[in-house]
Amino acid sequence: QVQLQESGPGLVKPSQTLSLSCTVSGASISSGVYYWIWVRQPPGKGLEWIGYMYYSGYTSYNPSLKSRLSISLDTSKNQFSLNLNSVTAADTAVYYCARGSGRTVDHWGQGTLVTASS
Amino acid sequence: QTVVTQEPSLTVSPGGTVTLTCASSTGEVTSGNYPNWFQQKPGQAPRALIYTTSNRHSWTPARFSGSLLGGKAALTLSGVQPEDEADYYCLLYFGGGRVFGGGTKLTVL
Repeated sequence: QVQLQESGPGLVKPSQTLSLSCTVSGASISSGVYYWIWVRQPPGKGLEWIGYMYYSGYTSYNPSLKSRLSISLDTSKNQFSLNLNSVTAADTAVYYCARGSGRTVDHWGQGTLVTASS
Repeated sequence: QTVVTQEPSLTVSPGGTVTLTCASSTGEVTSGNYPNWFQQKPGQAPRALIYTTSNRHSWTPARFSGSLLGGKAALTLSGVQPEDEADYYCLLYFGGGRVFGGGTKLTVL
């Protein structure tokens, strides 16, 4: 059974870096079959695709976030991470990690709320 | 940036049928956009329903079906149940990028 769990600070100060991790169980992030995704949802609003990464190192980022964004994998911990720098209040959202398989996103974490505020 | 548009809200009676659509600002939605559909209930993570236009996941009830309709992706719910009240999001693939629609709030009343 595949499970994903987000972790990280719930509060980040404006201009600082938002850092989250996603721990995967029931699947290996080293598998070339899957890719590892971040999605966010501002309070009361819709879903926004952030980006994803394959084990091969290929990444794809939302153009609107690309200049501030980095996604990486840690195979020793079976985790992947999100770093978003220079945050503003507009980055306040529930952040979800998820697994991509072929042409779908089949498993999601429960989400974690990150608030950008001083 | 590509914009993906869904109906903001729809209402359906229990037992009825409703179709949600997903349009692209770049033009016609095709199978090459690999349309996906997700259901999200309040306080929960999204749950995958449909992938590559019309394929159900193993956990997706048969009353959910996906198609292409009039240049858009479509999700049809037949025999709607009260528990189908939720937000529904489409996801379209554009080469290496992905874009979610704005979501449709479905009310069962």
